[in-house]
Amino acid sequence: DAGVTQSPTHLIKTRGQHVTLRCSPISGHKSVSWYQQVLGQGPQFIFQYYEKEERGRGNFPDRFSARQFPNYSSELNVNALLLGDSALYLCASSLFRENTEAFFGQGTRLTVV
Amino acid sequence: AQKITQTQPGMFVQEKEAVTLDCTYDTSDQSYGLFWYKQPSSGEMIFLIYQGSYDEQNATEGRYSLNFQKARKSANLVISASQLGDSAMYFCAMRVPSGAGSYQLTFGKGTKLSVIP
Repeated sequence: DAGVTQSPTHLIKTRGQHVTLRCSPISGHKSVSWYQQVLGQGPQFIFQYYEKEERGRGNFPDRFSARQFPNYSSELNVNALLLGDSALYLCASSLFRENTEAFFGQGTRLTVV
Repeated sequence: AQKITQTQPGMFVQEKEAVTLDCTYDTSDQSYGLFWYKQPSSGEMIFLIYQGSYDEQNATEGRYSLNFQKARKSANLVISASQLGDSAMYFCAMRVPSGAGSYQLTFGKGTKLSVIP
């Protein structure tokens, strides 16, 4: 069975640009969460989507948005990129909303120059 | 506020020896979950072990065990018979409510484990 897949794996963008990151959860998983991990820190929660609805949001500006599609895949969008948005973006999928066992993808490493 | 503290930025262990990675947590919730993840240099977070707050027995998964001391609010990870492939960052995390009946994971800053041949 395929695990959580994220694309692209690496990305370089210029300040002010927009970026879209994609995540496909494990088959049958209905919950997708997004995390940002800056160098030297643990991941920080951005969003959780369950059954195509936003269920939770972390302390991130409105430049960050996401959505979940009918097949439960998800996109994370970041507008007006700042240098500080450079990080590893991780997607996690779980069967239920409660995240009892969350499985992560390999991440998208975003560099903003 | 919910918080995870990992006080060991780095640890060294001899191959085949056991090692304990420390984790303390702070929460006012009665129901919570504690996780340990391994993150190799490739970046993927690999789930290792889970402990629910109402679980009476310490969780074990192969060479991994979680030393859960509820009164002390600690959830230390014990790795037995360390292998070279265990060298990685290790994160302790807690499941906390994120609104609308859902939950998020709050992570500590991690411990970098290096296994010496």
